Amino acid sequence: DVKVTQSSRYLVKRTGEKVFLECVQDMDHENMFWYRQDPGLGLRLIYFSYDVKMKEKGDIPEGYSVSREKKERFSLILESASTNQTSMYLCASSLRRLVTEAFFGQGTRLTVV
Amino acid sequence: AQSVTQPDIHITVSEGASLELRCNYSYGATPYLFWYVQSPGQGLQLLLKYFSGDTLVQGIKGFEAEFKRSQSSFNLRKPSVHWSDAAEYFCAVGASGTASKLTFGTGTRLQVTL
Repeated sequence: DVKVTQSSRYLVKRTGEKVFLECVQDMDHENMFWYRQDPGLGLRLIYFSYDVKMKEKGDIPEGYSVSREKKERFSLILESASTNQTSMYLCASSLRRLVTEAFFGQGTRLTVV
Repeated sequence: AQSVTQPDIHITVSEGASLELRCNYSYGATPYLFWYVQSPGQGLQLLLKYFSGDTLVQGIKGFEAEFKRSQSSFNLRKPSVHWSDAAEYFCAVGASGTASKLTFGTGTRLQVTL
């Protein structure tokens, strides 16, 4: 069974902290994505990666960075957390084909206080 | 750039009633279309997808969707809703390129009354 695993379901961090959200997939997928989900806004793409050490900005990259040192792992980094980054964060992965479906993790609900 | 519109934020149906969730897309080429479902506190699960061919697509859990190019729509349907179908539903369009990115709509929350 395909699996995308996010390291935490719930996180509470303080304003100004550096925050790491980790995602691991066991499907040997080339593509990995980080989305942010907010009520009424749907899912918005923060960053994606199509290969190890390769990354591209999505629609809302400000305040975030990413790291992909190994094919199976994709990390989202909040350099200095702010309250407006309180949200649900979803990681996904997919094969590197023309277009294909993405498989999602369970999500990390981050609260910044 | 591609976009997806789900005009209904919230829909309530009675158990056993039929369901149709609307989705309109904007994309300059042949669209790749998806419907996902999200139960409370969970990630997204793929219900069905359309890439080409037959415009009526069957998915899991008894759902189907019909692609209508002339209306730029990809509406999700189910003939008889079960209480366990209560969830949030997202329509998405896929774009070719460096990676197969998906652009999502804002979602429709389905409530099922008994």
